[in-house]
Amino acid sequence: NAGVTQTPKFQVLKTGQSMTLQCAQDMNHEYMSWYRQDPGMGLRLIHYSVGAGITDQGEVPNGYNVSRSTTEDFPLRLLSAAPSQTSVYFCASNSWQGPGELFFGEGSRLTVL
Amino acid sequence: DAKTTQPPSMDCAEGRAANLPCNHSTISGNEYVYWYRQIHSQGPQYIIHGLKNNETNEMASLIITEDRKSSTLILPHATLRDTAVYYCIVVTQGGSEKLVFGKGTKLTVNP
Repeated sequence: NAGVTQTPKFQVLKTGQSMTLQCAQDMNHEYMSWYRQDPGMGLRLIHYSVGAGITDQGEVPNGYNVSRSTTEDFPLRLLSAAPSQTSVYFCASNSWQGPGELFFGEGSRLTVL
Repeated sequence: DAKTTQPPSMDCAEGRAANLPCNHSTISGNEYVYWYRQIHSQGPQYIIHGLKNNETNEMASLIITEDRKSSTLILPHATLRDTAVYYCIVVTQGGSEKLVFGKGTKLTVNP
């Protein structure tokens, strides 16, 4: 099992550009989520999903879009990138059977100029 | 808002036990305590969890007070590789798709 795979690992954008961070998991987990982590800060929840076709907002959803068309994939879209979105993004998945045991990807480091 | 309170930083000597506290005074009867750690800029890694009994695995021990308002993660023989940020979170069984992390405790293990 690869676990949770995030791509790309690094990305530089210009203000106003759009892009999608990809996240895939091969553990058949029902739940998936996106977090961002800024320097010296903990993890903040952006969006989460409880299953295919179902998504909801976390603590800091503005400027981000998500969809969950399959159990495996949960892409995060930045519609019009802003410097405030410079951060490290982590995707995670978990199962109702082990609800608090999150499996995290390696992270995607995004810089918006 | 995070439901837990942790000290921002702690130090520990290599080879000694590291005891990381966490307060969760508003924890409900159906909420578990979970611990994670994040080494440098890697993704956080699950360590251990418990409901009301003390738990031990190959990585750590978890001591939960009888009133469940606080807990302690114990790394019995800390090594330099245990230097990381440690997060304590509470998780509701069956409603845990939305997990909120605080800022955690930065543990530095010194040689």
